[in-house]
Amino acid sequence: DGGITQSPKYLFRKEGQNVTLSCEQNLNHDAMYWYRQDPGQGLRLIYYSQIVNDFQKGDIAEGYSVSREKKESFPLTVTSAQKNPTAFYLCASSVWTGTAFSGANVLTFGAGSRLTVL
Amino acid sequence: ILNVEQSPQSLHVQEGDSTNFTCSFPSSNFYALHWYRWETAKSPEALFVMTLNGDEKKKGRISATLNTKEGYSYLYIKGSQPEDSATYLCARNLRGGSNYKLTFGKGTLLTVNP
Repeated sequence: DGGITQSPKYLFRKEGQNVTLSCEQNLNHDAMYWYRQDPGQGLRLIYYSQIVNDFQKGDIAEGYSVSREKKESFPLTVTSAQKNPTAFYLCASSVWTGTAFSGANVLTFGAGSRLTVL
Repeated sequence: ILNVEQSPQSLHVQEGDSTNFTCSFPSSNFYALHWYRWETAKSPEALFVMTLNGDEKKKGRISATLNTKEGYSYLYIKGSQPEDSATYLCARNLRGGSNYKLTFGKGTLLTVNP
């Protein structure tokens, strides 16, 4: 079955350490995304990538970095510069649904990774 | 309305009840409205995407409507079942912005009691 695999599911990090979250998809989707969820807030976009070797900052990119060297993979690094890294992180990919004139990128999500900074 | 807002924040219904909840959004520069269902311990999954004023979509017992002029969408569940228990998220795309950027609401948590 096609889908998105995120790993690890749970991760603990000491303050000052960088950590990388993995996201792999076998859906052949061009676009991939990273979202962050915090209690009482909606999902917030960290980074997105429309195609290989290209990515754009989302609304809360500070303290994060990404790469997109392969279509299937979009890893997220949470750096020590991220002030509040403890959160639930969701990876997604998308396919255009609709016509060329009326449609949208519909997201398929992974199961998420929960990062806790000790 | 400056952001995407969902109401109520949570609700409990009995099995068999019909229910509905609201997503409100700024009507200016609207492009598309998405609904996702997020069950506990699972991945969010897409329910509907709507782009035109007056759009109505239906999947089984779940349906959604869209009013882009006044900036709201309703999600209806007919004859709720325990398996409908989930958080329902709506999200909006802006016209003129990136089609890849969605603004999400905080969600409505639905609990259906057997």
